[in-house]
This record gives sequence, C-alpha cells and structure tokens, in this order.
Amino acid sequence: AQSVTQLGSHVSVSEGALVLLRCNYSSSVPPYLFWYVQYPNQGLQLLLKYTTGATLVKGINGFEAEFKKSETSFHLTKPSAHMSDAAEYFCAVSDRDGNTGKLIFGQGTTLQVKP
Amino acid sequence: DGGITQSPKYLFRKEGQNVTLSCEQNLNHDAMYWYRQDPGQGLRLIYYSQIVNDFQKGDIAEGYSVSREKKESFPLTVTSAQKNPTAFYLCASSIAPTANSPLHFGNGTRLTVT
Repeated sequence: AQSVTQLGSHVSVSEGALVLLRCNYSSSVPPYLFWYVQYPNQGLQLLLKYTTGATLVKGINGFEAEFKKSETSFHLTKPSAHMSDAAEYFCAVSDRDGNTGKLIFGQGTTLQVKP
Repeated sequence: DGGITQSPKYLFRKEGQNVTLSCEQNLNHDAMYWYRQDPGQGLRLIYYSQIVNDFQKGDIAEGYSVSREKKESFPLTVTSAQKNPTAFYLCASSIAPTANSPLHFGNGTRLTVT
C-alpha cells in the first residue's frame, strides 16, 4: 500500500524567499507522485508529476520537485515566493497496487506568503 | 473549454434528508472519482468509477451512493445514513484509470447539513 506524509501543516515565508514544502512517501513499488495546489473554495490544480525518467521535475508557476528514492521524498520548491503562491498544497501518490488511477493524498500544507 | 462542472457550489440541507451532488465532465475521460475534504485531513476517496456502468467503493463509502449511467456524469448522493455529512466534496476525472494519469478536479460543492 502507498501513503504520503506532508511535514508541516503550515509554512510561512516572506515574499521573495525560498519555498520548501516537504513530502515523504511510502510505497512497495516505484511510486508515481504528484503535487497539487488549491486556492480557497476551489478545486485542485496539478502543479507537476513524477512517473519515470528525470528525477527533477519542473511544473507550472515556477515550482519544481525532486524525487529522491534514497530519502523516499518528493519535496516541492520555488526559488522566490510570490504573494499569489499563498494556497494549500497537496502531495499525492498513485495507487499502483490496484492500478485504479486513484490518488492517495497527504494532509496538505498551507503556504502563507508575507509581504 | 473542457472541464468538470460541479453544482451547486453551496448546498444546505436539514439532517435526515438525502441530497445529490452533480458532477459533469466534457473531457471524454473514462474514470471519475469523488473525494471528501475536511480541514486538516486532506482528501479521502468516497467512490470511483473506471468505466460507464461500473463503480467501486473507496475508503469512506458508508452513507454515500453513486451511479455512472453516462460517461460524462457521476452524481453522488449523500444519504441520511452518513453521520457527518458537512464537508467540501470534490469530483475528479482522469483520461484513463491508470496509475500515471493525473486527476482533473472540479471546483467542488460545499455541503452544510444542520
């Protein structure tokens, strides 16, 4: 079975500072990993995904994530935070055991960006 | 524009009443999913459907029911048996029910039961 843990339910950064949102996974098979962003009262939007190939994945809005098998991590980063980045972020792992397409989500991290 | 439409955006019901949440997609996706979101708990899977006329229970299916009579539609009924129905409900779809297919989400329905 797969699972995801997001470290830190709230992260606060200053505008222009580095954003680092942490995600660790558990999987008995090579994982497929995703990061989503959610703005208030909206659905989730895909930021990026890792399936196979290059371990550094670039996504939308300047975000990127690196898959590190040895650390079972898939942390999300952005070099310089913008006020518009304030949102909730979810890391997810795909159900590869059943190959149903369903995603298992972490509990989410709320990013606050201070001016 | 293709996408997923959930309606209504806000829904209020009295305890003991069944309520149906609508989810329609025009992306021609095979698979559809219902998730429930509660503060601090992430998203939890209620039901999913990999193909028309077929659906499977997710992790928290008790008190919910679904149907998938058409490819583009996957309505969710919250029954009176659901003990704590107040939540934000998200519908999603994917082009195929495979592990590497990302989910596309609607904008959600916020259900309040009093």
